[in-house]
This record gives sequence, structure tokens and C-alpha cells, in this order.
Amino acid sequence: AQSVTQLGSHVSVSEGALVLLRCNYSSSVPPYLFWYVQYPNQGLQLLLKYTTGATLVKGINGFEAEFKKSETSFHLTKPSAHMSDAAEYFCAVSEGGGNKLTFGTGTQLKVEL
Amino acid sequence: GAVVSQHPSWVICKSGTSVKIECRSLDFQATTMFWYRQFPKQSLMLMATSNEGSKATYEQGVEKDKFLINHASLTLSTLTVTSAHPEDSSFYICSGVDLNTEAFFGQGTRLTVV
Repeated sequence: AQSVTQLGSHVSVSEGALVLLRCNYSSSVPPYLFWYVQYPNQGLQLLLKYTTGATLVKGINGFEAEFKKSETSFHLTKPSAHMSDAAEYFCAVSEGGGNKLTFGTGTQLKVEL
Repeated sequence: GAVVSQHPSWVICKSGTSVKIECRSLDFQATTMFWYRQFPKQSLMLMATSNEGSKATYEQGVEKDKFLINHASLTLSTLTVTSAHPEDSSFYICSGVDLNTEAFFGQGTRLTVV
């Protein structure tokens, strides 16, 4: 069975500061990993995903994540936060390329002036 | 990317009535659609997997007779909440999967049962 743990339900950063959202997963097979962003009362938008190959994945809006198998982690980063980045972020995993996703509990990102 | 349209975006209904939510893939064929439920400040929980032309597969603990799913075509899946009660109030989100197995999410439906 697969699972996802997101440490920190709320993260607050200053505008221009580094954003780091943590995600650890467990999977019995090589995982596919995803980060989604959700704005209030909206669906999910894919930020980036890891399937195979390069472990550093770049996504939209300046976000990137690195797959670290030894740490079973897929943390999301952005060098410089912008006010528009304030939203809920979900890490998700699917096993073996299947499209059935298991989501983490989400991290609410707040960006302050 | 591909677009999934979910309708309505919000609905208020009385206890005991039924509500139908539509999920349409606008520019791709979705052989598989997923239905999720999201409680306030919580994550998305998969309710069921819907495959075109066959019965949906429900996750453990989800009442199939209460949450009726129909996937009659490659571009449309519907979720009907039957005999709705206040505890069914939630945010429901669908996703459709294209040939590349990437999931595209609808905008979600906020259901409030009064």
C-alpha cells in the first residue's frame, strides 16, 4: 500500500524567501510522485511530477522538487516566494505508473509581506 | 493541458433529495475517471474509480447505493448523491485520465445539504 506524509499543515514565509514544503512517501514499487496546488474552492492544478529519469524535476511557476529514493522524499521548493503562491499544496503518489493517486494531507502556504 | 469541466461548481439541496454532479473531459477521451471527496481542511479521499461502459469500483467504506456513478461515454461521468444528508456536505472533485495516464482535475463541486 502507498502513503504520503506531508510535514507541516501550515507553512508561512516572507515574500522573496525560500519555500520548502516537505513530502515523504511509502510505496512497495517504484513510485510516481506529484505535487498539486489548490486555490480556494477550485480543483487541483499539477505543478510537477516525477516518473522516471532525472530526479530533479522542474515544474510551473518556478517550483521544483527532487526525488530522493534513499530518503523516500519528494520535497517541493521555490527559491523566492510570491504572494500569488499562497495556496494549498498536495503531494501525491501512485504506484507503478497507475493513475490512482494517494494524497497527503496538504500544506497551506502563507506568504507574508 | 487537457481540460475537465465539472458542473455545478456549487449546489445547495434539502435533506432527502438527490444531487447529480457532472464531470466532462472537454478535449480528450477519458476512459477512466476518479471521484474524490474533500472535507474542510483535509486531503482528497478517493471515493471510486469509474471506467467507461462498466460498473464503478468503490473504495472501502463508500456506499455505492448512496453515491451512484455512471460513466456512459468517454467524455462524461456523473456522480449522483442520493437521499442527501447534511453529513454529505463536502467538496467533490473528479479527475479524468488521458492516454498518457495523466490525471486532469475538474474545478470541484461544493455541496451543501440543509
